[in-house]
Parts: sequence; structure tokens; C-alpha cells
Amino acid sequence: NAGVTQTPKFQVLKTGQSMTLQCAQDMNHEYMSWYRQDPGMGLRLIHYSVGAGITDQGEVPNGYNVSRSTTEDFPLRLLSAAPSQTSVYFCASSPHTGPEAFFGQGTRLTVV
Amino acid sequence: SQQGEEDPQALSIQEGENATMNCSYKTSINNLQWYRQNSGRGLVHLILIRSNEREKHSGRLRVTLDTSKKSSSLLITASRAADTASYFCATDTTGTASKLTFGTGTRLQVTL
Repeated sequence: NAGVTQTPKFQVLKTGQSMTLQCAQDMNHEYMSWYRQDPGMGLRLIHYSVGAGITDQGEVPNGYNVSRSTTEDFPLRLLSAAPSQTSVYFCASSPHTGPEAFFGQGTRLTVV
Repeated sequence: SQQGEEDPQALSIQEGENATMNCSYKTSINNLQWYRQNSGRGLVHLILIRSNEREKHSGRLRVTLDTSKKSSSLLITASRAADTASYFCATDTTGTASKLTFGTGTRLQVTL
């Protein structure tokens, strides 16, 4: 059972480049979320979705776009990468019935 | 930022000892959860306590919640080397995991 799958695991970008971090879940969960993890700051919510076609901003949404065309996929787009976006990104999914989240293994992004 | 704080930031104990970590949060909550993160991996759910509960047990884990002080503690009894990881508390205000607010984490090192 795959759970939540994130690709790629590692990525190096140059300032100004764009890219998409992929997230897919096979648990038929309604909710999906993106977090970034920086040293000493825990995880902070970037964007989240409560169903296909429905997305909303979290605490730190600037510089990121999301869309949710299917229940399974929730890609995160960096429009114009900046060094401040160097971080580890985690995708999570959860059912609408409860508060337990299931996390992917993370994408470590470095912007130079 | 609505992030909670955890203390200590780092904890080093010997195998067999108990480990206690604390979490404080800022707003009224529906649920509080604890997650574990092994180095370089995603987060794994450990235990959940609802806002109307004061104490919960699961195996070697004991979690308490004091909503008047907006604080929680996680006790791991009889620690093992395999418990070495970072531990995060997470709160929600919706009863779901669509928008979790995480603490800053406690890094636990258990030595033989």
C-alpha cells in the first residue's frame, strides 16, 4: 500500500526557475495539504484542499500555487523559485472523518 | 504565527529511562496529536487526545492535555534506542487534519 507518494525526493533549482512538486495518495482521502519544514520552525501550512476543485491558503502561501483536479493528486507549483524557498516540503492526506494525517516522505528542495 | 512551542528543543537520555516533552499552543483546539519524525523521513501519527479529554494512553505513550493552560505533555516510558527521533505536537480547530498547526519539535536521542 503506497499511501502518500511525493516526487522528486531531492531537487536543486536556480533562482527564478519554476517547478512542480508532485503528491499522490491512494487512500481516497478527501483532504490534502502541503507543508514546509524549516530548521527550528516545525511544519508550516502552505496550501490545503478539502476536495477536488477546492483549495485554500495556509499560513505561508506566497510564491506557491496549487490545484486539485482529482482526489488522488495535489501538485505544488513554485512560480519563480527564491533562496527563501529552500526547505523540505511535505504533502499530507487525511479523511474528512478524522484528524489523523498521513504524510509523504518529503521533497528536499534547494534554491541556489 | 500561530505555531506552538515545544520544550525541550533537545533531550538526551539512556535506554530504559522515561522521556517527557511538552507542547504549548495559542488558540482553542478540537484535538491535539503527537507525531514522530525519524531523520530524513515523513511524520508518523502516534496518539491523539481530544479537547474534552485530560489523559490518554497507548502502549508506552502517555499524553496529557490541560486546555486551561493550553499545554500538553508526551511521556515515553522505558525508552529504547529506536525511539530516537523528533517529536511534534499538532493541533486542529476543525476536527479534521486539513489545517494542522505544528509545534517546533523536540529532538530525542536515546543512547544505549
